[in-house]
Amino acid sequence: DGGITQSPKYLFRKEGQNVTLSCEQNLNHDAMYWYRQDPGQGLRLIYYSQIVNDFQKGDIAEGYSVSREKKESFPLTVTSAQKNPTAFYLCASSIDGPVYSNQPQHFGDGTRLSIL
Amino acid sequence: GENVEQHPSTLSVQEGDSAVIKCTYSDSASNYFPWYKQELGKRPQLIIDIRSNVGEKKDQRIAVTLNKTAKHFSLHITETQPEDSAVYFCAAHFLISGSARQLTFGSGTQLTVLP
Repeated sequence: DGGITQSPKYLFRKEGQNVTLSCEQNLNHDAMYWYRQDPGQGLRLIYYSQIVNDFQKGDIAEGYSVSREKKESFPLTVTSAQKNPTAFYLCASSIDGPVYSNQPQHFGDGTRLSIL
Repeated sequence: GENVEQHPSTLSVQEGDSAVIKCTYSDSASNYFPWYKQELGKRPQLIIDIRSNVGEKKDQRIAVTLNKTAKHFSLHITETQPEDSAVYFCAAHFLISGSARQLTFGSGTQLTVLP
């Protein structure tokens, strides 16, 4: 799905540092999501946003923060409070949010975050 | 919380054989069930989905069946090819509150197609 761009592809975090992962989409989708994927496991929802200036916590929001100031952008900040940040982070978007209808989610290429 | 269980965790088949992956879900109100294929280090890609108003959907070599009474759905791949080797994830939409729904994923099945 070339319409969703995540950057950087690889990111390293130092002790006590906050890092921000970028997610941009040009699909004109209203809803955007952030997932965390650990080796051998499925995807777990961190945060999601159905419209601009609104976002909701998912299952594992602690230690993360997001913003949704523009429709096409949904950056994720991994704060120093997240003690085990090493994982593969995936951003997704869909035409409508969970409230409206069952629309498929389309994913970006992911960012692999590691601790230095 | 809501749960999706996926079996088996690994599956090896000979090229040309069929592969079946099964998932069960806990919320009887779930009404949307997508399947994703993820190759190593890459993004999950939607391969097929089914909504609760149908029992089966087919797209070439891939089919999904849904049994709402038993709360399980399955992915069927026929005439498997080496390029089908990947991790497959099932997912289900769960009701969070009001009418808001969240997609919950199974733990994945590593499918290996042996030439």
